[in-house]
Amino acid sequence: GAVVSQHPSWVICKSGTSVKIECRSLDFQATTMFWYRQFPKQSLMLMATSNEGSKATYEQGVEKDKFLINHASLTLSTLTVTSAHPEDSSFYICSAHYYSSYNEQFFGPGTRLTVL
Amino acid sequence: SQQGEEDPQALSIQEGENATMNCSYKTSINNLQWYRQNSGRGLVHLILIRSNEREKHSGRLRVTLDTSKKSSSLLITASRAADTASYFCATAITDSWGKLQFGAGTQVVVTP
Repeated sequence: GAVVSQHPSWVICKSGTSVKIECRSLDFQATTMFWYRQFPKQSLMLMATSNEGSKATYEQGVEKDKFLINHASLTLSTLTVTSAHPEDSSFYICSAHYYSSYNEQFFGPGTRLTVL
Repeated sequence: SQQGEEDPQALSIQEGENATMNCSYKTSINNLQWYRQNSGRGLVHLILIRSNEREKHSGRLRVTLDTSKKSSSLLITASRAADTASYFCATAITDSWGKLQFGAGTQVVVTP
């Protein structure tokens, strides 16, 4: 099956710093990737849709200046959490849309962000 | 907002028993998907059922979809301890191509 990786797997940072998370589709090209966040014991909440070569589309309530998304190539999307605060601590998961299957998404393993 | 609502929130069964969980949604969908997530890990895609399908099987998994009731069920037969995980339904909403809305999830614990 299609493989999606995320880097790093986990990160601990100080409040006020910025953190970049990478999402890569390893064996297929993905013009569309999605970013989700998940708080403990809760479901996934869609944050934004990342489209290669264009601006990301953010869901209502998600600050685009806080969560910067760049989809510079067909295999890489990055999420940068700017000026992170403890309330940004969460599990961030990306997915990549695989065009060979009808609306099937393949998910990365997730990145756990802890802001001290 | 969450499209899907799942019940039960948590389920504890013994190995060999069947586990059934349900998902309801509110709007028109292209398809409905079920995912599994082990604690602190990413999601694993289990099965996709299109809006024009009523039932689908994959190994020990059986999924039904009733679009008139806007509901779906996931049945895991002959459960194993390794099936312990959280299970989420996700709906691909019509005219929101590519986006998935996740349900709250059902936490399943299978004891040996």
